Amino acid sequence: QVQLQESGPGLVKPSETLSLSCSVSGDSVSHYFGSWIRQPPGKGLEWLGFIHYFVDSERPTYNPSLKSRITMSLDKSKNQMSLRLSSVTAEDTAFYYCARLRDANNMKYFDPWGQGTLVTVSS
Amino acid sequence: QSALTQPRSVSGSPGQSVTISCTGTYSDVGIYNFVSWYQHHPGRAPKLIIYDVTQRPSGVPDRFSGSKSGNTASLTISGLQAEDEADYSCCSYAGSSTYVFGTGTKVTVL
Repeated sequence: QVQLQESGPGLVKPSETLSLSCSVSGDSVSHYFGSWIRQPPGKGLEWLGFIHYFVDSERPTYNPSLKSRITMSLDKSKNQMSLRLSSVTAEDTAFYYCARLRDANNMKYFDPWGQGTLVTVSS
Repeated sequence: QSALTQPRSVSGSPGQSVTISCTGTYSDVGIYNFVSWYQHHPGRAPKLIIYDVTQRPSGVPDRFSGSKSGNTASLTISGLQAEDEADYSCCSYAGSSTYVFGTGTKVTVL
């Protein structure tokens, strides 16, 4: 059974970089489409992007609205995926979730998800 | 890439049916049969309940069903139960390896 768990600082100062990790158990990130999704308090979910390995190199795909600030990576040795979001503002305050993306010609969905972690941007 | 539109809330009594709409555009919901639905209880991991418009994962009760007409997808919960009270979000593939989520709907069991 695949399980995901997010971790990272719960408070980040404006203009700094938000960094989160997602530990994966029950599967290997080597053949994994890992995705990040966030939900600002009181608002809907927002897809941030996904990343996977292709021929031993990482292939990220980002939400165009965040492309200039976002970086995702995979760590095979730790079986983790990571998210970095630079130049944060209060609008980046949200619950951040990692999830496995099932992406194939005949199926596309996110399952399973981690429980999420709240990141607050404040000085 | 605008969020898909869902009603903010729907409610029903136990045993009744409720339907949640998810309206997008031709470029996402309209052209792709890759709409998924997620149930979200506060403090818990969101749970996949419908994928590819109508498919139900193993373990999801058959009172949950999905459909699509034009640019609008729908989730119907038949025989509403107390444990169905939660937030529900839709998601659609939007082409070029991108995805868009809905605005979210709170389901209240009266």
